[in-house]
Amino acid sequence: DAGVTQSPTHLIKTRGQQVTLRCSPKSGHDTVSWYQQALGQGPQFIFQYYEEEERQRGNFPDRFSGHQFPNYSSELNVNALLLGDSALYLCASSFFGSDAASLGHSNQPQHFGDGTRLSIL
Amino acid sequence: EDQVTQSPEALRLQEGESSSLNCSYTVSGLRGLFWYRQDPGKGPEFLFTLYSAGEEKEKERLKATLTKKESFLHITAPKPEDSATYLCAVRTGGFKTIFGAGTRLFVKA
Repeated sequence: DAGVTQSPTHLIKTRGQQVTLRCSPKSGHDTVSWYQQALGQGPQFIFQYYEEEERQRGNFPDRFSGHQFPNYSSELNVNALLLGDSALYLCASSFFGSDAASLGHSNQPQHFGDGTRLSIL
Repeated sequence: EDQVTQSPEALRLQEGESSSLNCSYTVSGLRGLFWYRQDPGKGPEFLFTLYSAGEEKEKERLKATLTKKESFLHITAPKPEDSATYLCAVRTGGFKTIFGAGTRLFVKA
C-alpha cells in the first residue's frame, strides 16, 4: 500500500522564480493538506484541498496557491520566491468522506510524505 | 488565538530512563489531538489520536494521555531507536491542524 509520495525530493531555486511541488495521496484518501516546516520548527498549515477546491487557508500570502486534480493528487505553486521560502514542504493526506461531510469536520489523522526540501539562493 | 506549546524543547535520556513529554494547548473546540514522530529528513509519522479528556492510547513503549488543557507522551524504558522529534498537533472546529514546535528526544545507550 503506497503511502503519500512527493516530488521532487530536493529543489534549488533563485529569488523571484516560481516553483511547483507535487503530491500523490495515500490510497483511499480524498483530502490533501500542505505544510511548510522551517528548520527546528513544527509544520505550519498552508491550505487544504477537498473535492478539487481550497477548503481552508493558513496565514500565507497569495504567492502560495494550489490545485487538486480529479484523482486527488495535488500541486503547490509558489510565485516570486523569497529567501524566507526556504523550508521543507510537506504534503499530508487523509480521508474525509460523506460521514464527515455531514458532520462538518473529520477526526481522521493525516499521513505525511517525506517532503520536498526547497532551497532559495 | 489557538496555540500549541510543547516542552521541553529537547530531552536527553539514558537507555531505560523513563520520562514524559508535555503538550499544552489553548483552542476553541478541540476536534482531536495527534502525536507524531519525525526522524531527520523524513515526514512526520502518525502515532496516536486522542479525542476527549481522560482518554489514553498505548503503543509499545509509548503511552499518550489527554486532559482538558494538555497531553502527555510517556516513554517507558526508552531505547536509542526512540530518538526522534515528537510533534503534538490539534485540530480545531475547522479543517486546520496546528502543530507545536516539537520535543527533540535523544536516548543514549
